[in-house]
Amino acid sequence: QSVLTQPPSVSAAPGQTITISCSGSTSNIGVSYVSWYQQVPGTAPKLLIYDNSKRPSGIPARFSGSKSGTSATLGITGLQTGDEANYYCATWDTSMSPGWVFGGGTKLTVL
Amino acid sequence: QLHLQESGPGLVKPSDTLSLTCTVSGGSIRSSNYYWGWIRQPPGKGLEWIGSKIGSSYYGANTFYNPSLKSRATMSLDTSRNQFSLTLTSVTAADTAVYYCVRTYGDYMVDCWGQGTLLTVSS
Repeated sequence: QSVLTQPPSVSAAPGQTITISCSGSTSNIGVSYVSWYQQVPGTAPKLLIYDNSKRPSGIPARFSGSKSGTSATLGITGLQTGDEANYYCATWDTSMSPGWVFGGGTKLTVL
Repeated sequence: QLHLQESGPGLVKPSDTLSLTCTVSGGSIRSSNYYWGWIRQPPGKGLEWIGSKIGSSYYGANTFYNPSLKSRATMSLDTSRNQFSLTLTSVTAADTAVYYCVRTYGDYMVDCWGQGTLLTVSS
């Protein structure tokens, strides 16, 4: 049971746009920055979005992030077959035992 | 460019103690801006944070652990070798996972990942 809630899967055709939601609480997303990670099976995760909506150098503008209250959203426009991967949201939880918490991951299938 | 490389035994027996080391190249672990930590991923499952430790002793032994590990985890830094380590005691099959060593920038992001090392707990 993950602290952050993501849909298990999402699918769309090449060229389309998708969003992936990430729901948390007032002790994590509500007060901390959200980051997103892309993991192609068999490889290490890669930072995709940080500080809710910023992209590291080298990440295309097709990827975007936003946060509102205790939820965050990852958006991908102009889907490509190479975007097929698992996507995870993460944030710092400020509860009694502070630490990093992750969503359960969302499997993106590009049909 | 920063590079993290995990090393470990690959296979440990139930109830044994696991030790993993991460060697950092392309940057120093002595930094007050960064934490060094571990994240694991059981086969076919999601990511689980294990713990993080600040790189600068100026801030004391500022270390955080996932409470779900029930005090079995201990992290340490070796600044002379630019390495950090994880010790996990009383391992069970549930600890079988790919273990990633990571760098986190404060509580903003996990900005660098090692390639991961598979640890299997089996007799």
